[in-house]
Amino acid sequence: NAGVTQTPKFQVLKTGQSMTLQCAQDMNHNSMYWYRQDPGMGLRLIYYSASEGTTDKGEVPNGYNVSRLNKREFSLRLESAAPSQTSVYFCASRGGHSYNEQFFGPGTRLTVL
Amino acid sequence: ELKVEQNPLFLSMQEGKNYTIYCNYSTTSDRLYWYRQDPGKSLESLFVLLSNGAVKQEGRLMASLDTKARLSTLHITAAVHDLSATYFCAAQGGSEKLVFGKGMKLTVNP
Repeated sequence: NAGVTQTPKFQVLKTGQSMTLQCAQDMNHNSMYWYRQDPGMGLRLIYYSASEGTTDKGEVPNGYNVSRLNKREFSLRLESAAPSQTSVYFCASRGGHSYNEQFFGPGTRLTVL
Repeated sequence: ELKVEQNPLFLSMQEGKNYTIYCNYSTTSDRLYWYRQDPGKSLESLFVLLSNGAVKQEGRLMASLDTKARLSTLHITAAVHDLSATYFCAAQGGSEKLVFGKGMKLTVNP
């Protein structure tokens, strides 16, 4: 099992450009999450999807959109990137019971100039 | 609104020493998670604590949960250099969401 995979690993954008971060999991998990990690801020939840076909906002959703394409894939889109969105983005998934831990992907390091 | 605080945020300690780090959370949560992150890497699950009084141990690390005090501790015994990493605790806020602390950067010196 590959677990949780993310593409790309690194990306540099100019202000105003758009892009989509891809995430896929092969663990048959129902729940998937997008976080951003900034120095000294821990991880902050952007959006999550409790099951295929549903998405909900997290703590910092502004400037982002998500799509739960199917059970395996959950993408994060930046429509018009801003320097404040420079961050490391992690996708995670969780399966089974609600007390199970989340498993994280390797992350995407995004820089917006 | 659930908030999670860790302290200290930075810790430098010598090999062989013991230390306890703390994770406080602000509202009722009976599920607490500890993760480890190495520099430039992703987060790795260490412990899942599901009930009051839960204690789990793995190697030189032991985690416990006191839901009445809204406190989890991570105790390090006889630290070694390989334990150098950032440690995050996270409490469950709602059925799906985890709220993370800011993380504690641990450096273990020879």
